Parts: sequence; structure tokens; C-alpha cells
Amino acid sequence: GENVEQHPSTLSVQEGDSAVIKCTYSDSASNYFPWYKQELGKRPQLIIDIRSNVGEKKDQRIAVTLNKTAKHFSLHITETQPEDSAVYFCAATPNSGYSTLTFGKGTMLLVSP
Amino acid sequence: NAGVTQTPKFQVLKTGQSMTLQCAQDMNHEYMSWYRQDPGMGLRLIHYSVGAGITDQGEVPNGYNVSRSTTEDFPLRLLSAAPSQTSVYFCASSPTGAFRSAPLHFGNGTRLTVT
Repeated sequence: GENVEQHPSTLSVQEGDSAVIKCTYSDSASNYFPWYKQELGKRPQLIIDIRSNVGEKKDQRIAVTLNKTAKHFSLHITETQPEDSAVYFCAATPNSGYSTLTFGKGTMLLVSP
Repeated sequence: NAGVTQTPKFQVLKTGQSMTLQCAQDMNHEYMSWYRQDPGMGLRLIHYSVGAGITDQGEVPNGYNVSRSTTEDFPLRLLSAAPSQTSVYFCASSPTGAFRSAPLHFGNGTRLTVT
């Protein structure tokens, strides 16, 4: 099955800096890569996703890039703000059978004012 | 729309007790799933269902049962609770026919402690 590795496990940045979280996946058939943000005590919520026919996608301060050859994808947050502090999860799923999302172990991002 | 509703929010069980975590969604989603979240382990899939009457195991199914008699409800049963089942449990759903490339909608979670 799919295996998703995510790093770093924790990331501390100053407000205004950029943050990058990286994930690798094992199943070359994977073609959907969402990112979820989970604030303390809350549920995970989708912040951005990318499909394998796209190399990059942006939404205001957030962007995701995908390298299918290397089987890795990254989340980029620019001009970080304290409210960006949360745990971020990447995930991947292949488009075959009754496959499901496999999540990385998460990155705790702390943005200091 | 209420989205995905989980009950209870908190539960404390003694070892060996059984209980059912409830999950209901009002978005007419065919796909529903249960995850457990433990520190440093991310979200691990317990069981999932692609429609009423169809369920399958995920990554960590042992000690849990599910059923899907209606599109709306997907309860998770702990047969004989163990301390290793102390965790936060999330139910999630996704739209009909597109669950492999559609966002998951999560409930607010159930925090379970087994003593």
C-alpha cells in the first residue's frame, strides 16, 4: 500500500518568514495530494490540494508543488502569521480500486510574533 | 447542513467495556471512514465504507467493528476496550463516486480514554 513520509516533524519560524513542509510517497499510481491544517483541539480541515496533472497550485499565501518523477510534494506558506500555527498533514491516494487517503505523520508549525 | 456530527465528544471507559461512537452526515456522501489520531502517528484509518451495506478494513482495524445500514450513519463499535485504544477518533466523509480525489470532511472528533 501507499506510504507517506512527512518532514520536518516540527518547524519554528518568525512571523513573516516562509515555511516549507515536504512529503514523499511510495505509490507511483497516486494522483491526488491534499493538505490539511489542524488547529489545537480542532478537526483537520483541507487547505489546498493538487492533482497529478498539475505541477503547482497557489491560493493566496499557500502553494503546493508536485514532482511526480521524484514522488514528492511540498507545501509552501509565505508571509507566515501567528494564526498559521497548527499541525499540517499531507496525504496521498491512488486512483485505483477502493483506495483511501494515506496521511503523513504531521508537522507542527509554530509561528512566533 | 450540519456536516459530519460525532457523539460523544468525550468518553472514559474501563478496560473491557464496550461502546459505540456515533457518526452521522447530512451531505449525502457515499464514502465514510473512521480514523484514530495518536501523538506523532498522524491519522490512521480504522475502517471505511463506500456505500450502505459495504465496509472494509483500514490500517488498524483490530478491536473495532463497523456497520453501514444507511447512507447517513457509520457507527464505530469498540468490542472490549483496551488502554491502547485511548485516542482521538475522527469520522470523515467524502462525496459520491469521487472519494479518491475529493476532500474529506471531518467531524469534530471523540476523545476516548480507557483506564
